[in-house]
Amino acid sequence: ETGVTQSPTHLIKTRGQQVTLRCSSQSGHNTVSWYQQALGQGPQFIFQYYREEENGRGNFPPRFSGLQFPNYSSELNVNALELDDSALYLCASSWDYQETQYFGPGTRLLVL
Amino acid sequence: AQTVTQSQPEMSVQEAETVTLSCTYDTSESDYYLFWYKQPPSRQMILVIRQEAYKQQNATENRFSVNFQKAAKSFSLKISDSQLGDAAMYFCAYYDGGGSNYKLTFGKGTLLTVNP
Repeated sequence: ETGVTQSPTHLIKTRGQQVTLRCSSQSGHNTVSWYQQALGQGPQFIFQYYREEENGRGNFPPRFSGLQFPNYSSELNVNALELDDSALYLCASSWDYQETQYFGPGTRLLVL
Repeated sequence: AQTVTQSQPEMSVQEAETVTLSCTYDTSESDYYLFWYKQPPSRQMILVIRQEAYKQQNATENRFSVNFQKAAKSFSLKISDSQLGDAAMYFCAYYDGGGSNYKLTFGKGTLLTVNP
């Protein structure tokens, strides 16, 4: 069984740029959720994708957008990066948006 | 909105001893799930234990057990025979899945140090 993977591991961008983060769900899982974890905080829910459709969204602006592909992998896109977007971005997968979510190792984004 | 509170920013324990991490939550739902996740310095969030609210029996996973008090909205994690590898940030999380709310809501975490 393959776990959740994310790429890249680390990323440095400058303010105003755009970034794409990628996530491959655990084998057999069709739901991907994205979370933002600022330093010293718990993760905050960004949005969830289920069978290629957005299935819930947290309190994040529209410049945070996502996709899910037929193989259930997912992308998180952030446009017009701001300094406050610097954080650890976590992807989690589950089956049929059920409660138990398994996390990937995260992508550390630094915006300068 | 549901909230999760972890009132202990940091805790420490001696190796082989027992430690309890506290968590309280606020919800008006009757059916929900609670979790403890562990996040070591490697950053990966690892599921430690899960509790269904409709089950009165407290969940256990080897050295990890919970004390779930539904009326008090309390969900503490007990780690027995603490090991050096238990050192990590521990997060309490809530999920109810109602009203298109399929997200985990996390507390701010408790940093656990294990002293040899």
